[in-house]
Amino acid sequence: DVKVTQSSRYLVKRTGEKVFLECVQDMDHENMFWYRQDPGLGLRLIYFSYDVKMKEKGDIPEGYSVSREKKERFSLILESASTNQTSMYLCASSFPDIYTDTQYFGPGTRLTVL
Amino acid sequence: AQKVTQAQTEISVVEKEDVTLDCVYETRDTTYYLFWYKQPPSGELVFLIRRNSFDEQNEISGRYSWNFQKSTSSFNFTITASQVVDSAVYFCALSEANRDDKIIFGKGTRLHILP
Repeated sequence: DVKVTQSSRYLVKRTGEKVFLECVQDMDHENMFWYRQDPGLGLRLIYFSYDVKMKEKGDIPEGYSVSREKKERFSLILESASTNQTSMYLCASSFPDIYTDTQYFGPGTRLTVL
Repeated sequence: AQKVTQAQTEISVVEKEDVTLDCVYETRDTTYYLFWYKQPPSGELVFLIRRNSFDEQNEISGRYSWNFQKSTSSFNFTITASQVVDSAVYFCALSEANRDDKIIFGKGTRLHILP
């Protein structure tokens, strides 16, 4: 079974803090993704990565950055957290095979910025 | 542009009833993939099914079934004899072939199964 883990289920931070959200997958997947999920807005793609040290902006990258130093790990960084970044953050991974490529998700991190 | 519409924001049914979740999509691609995911209260999105655009056969998996109709651009999901454990938010999604980085999710349908 694919396993995607996220470092925290719940996180509370203060405005202006630097926040790191970690995601690890154990299936040697090439692609990794960060989404945020907000009521009424569904899932929105923040950043994704298709290889180590590679990254691409998604639909809402402003205020975020990412790091992928190792294939299994993809970090989302909030350089200076703001209250409008309070949200549920979901990490996903996939293997880019036309027959099987499907994104598998972690349990999510619910971040509150005070 | 790609778009996924789940018109039903929230549905409540009594246990053992059948329920259908609607999904309508828009794409200009001839090759694409459709997905359904389940998000239980625990928060993790659980993959349910992936269907490619060339395969219009309906799929059945236990109490779950999916009806894919290209003529109406729909990919509906039916739960037969619903159970309380089916309570969750269900997302329909669409991606271009070989570009799963471009998955577009619908806004989800929250399903309540009442005991």
